[in-house]
Amino acid sequence: KNEVEQSPQNLTAQEGEFITINCSYSVGISALHWLQQHPGGGIVSLFMLSSGKKKHGRLIATINIQEKHSSLHITASHPRDSAVYICAVRHSGGSNYKLTFGKGTLLTVNP
Amino acid sequence: DGGITQSPKYLFRKEGQNVTLSCEQNLNHDAMYWYRQDPGQGLRLIYYSQIVNDFQKGDIAEGYSVSREKKESFPLTVTSAQKNPTAFYLCASSIVDSNQPQHFGDGTRLSIL
Repeated sequence: KNEVEQSPQNLTAQEGEFITINCSYSVGISALHWLQQHPGGGIVSLFMLSSGKKKHGRLIATINIQEKHSSLHITASHPRDSAVYICAVRHSGGSNYKLTFGKGTLLTVNP
Repeated sequence: DGGITQSPKYLFRKEGQNVTLSCEQNLNHDAMYWYRQDPGQGLRLIYYSQIVNDFQKGDIAEGYSVSREKKESFPLTVTSAQKNPTAFYLCASSIVDSNQPQHFGDGTRLSIL
């Protein structure tokens, strides 16, 4: 079983829809990251969470430490949101340099 | 603007050749990382370095080598011992703190001719 599981793998939405991407993990963590990878391949960090909720524009990220689960929400989705969204966890303890990545969720937003 | 520069964007290698991927950062970060990305898989750590002249193997270091002679630079050599080198390679950097985000380059796509 992978240490970081994302769902869904693929998601197609119509412009304006509310989108949720989920991430579950099985290891102890000090932080969880949400990343965005555009078709060209470059990766941008969206959020880093260790508890609660963060909001940036139309993006909202939440984490439940007890349930080992995080969600990324996109409100009023737009075609420019089309990308791969990746969840990554930073391990707690002795391996705290290490990020373990999910396989990513490919989001396509149609106009 | 500060950032990470990877070059080249596309690279082709003949069988049996070593090839070096460049990664330069001007963010004044102590830590640098190399990841490999394959279709349908999450990024996997090849090597990382937390300080100049020191580096450690990640999860998939076999067939790769690195150096860290300068803080700004962390080149990755894909040697002929790497049996399946075709992949997308990403370099990242961060300050050495367990809860700081990593900054990523735009990647290099390596293909075997």
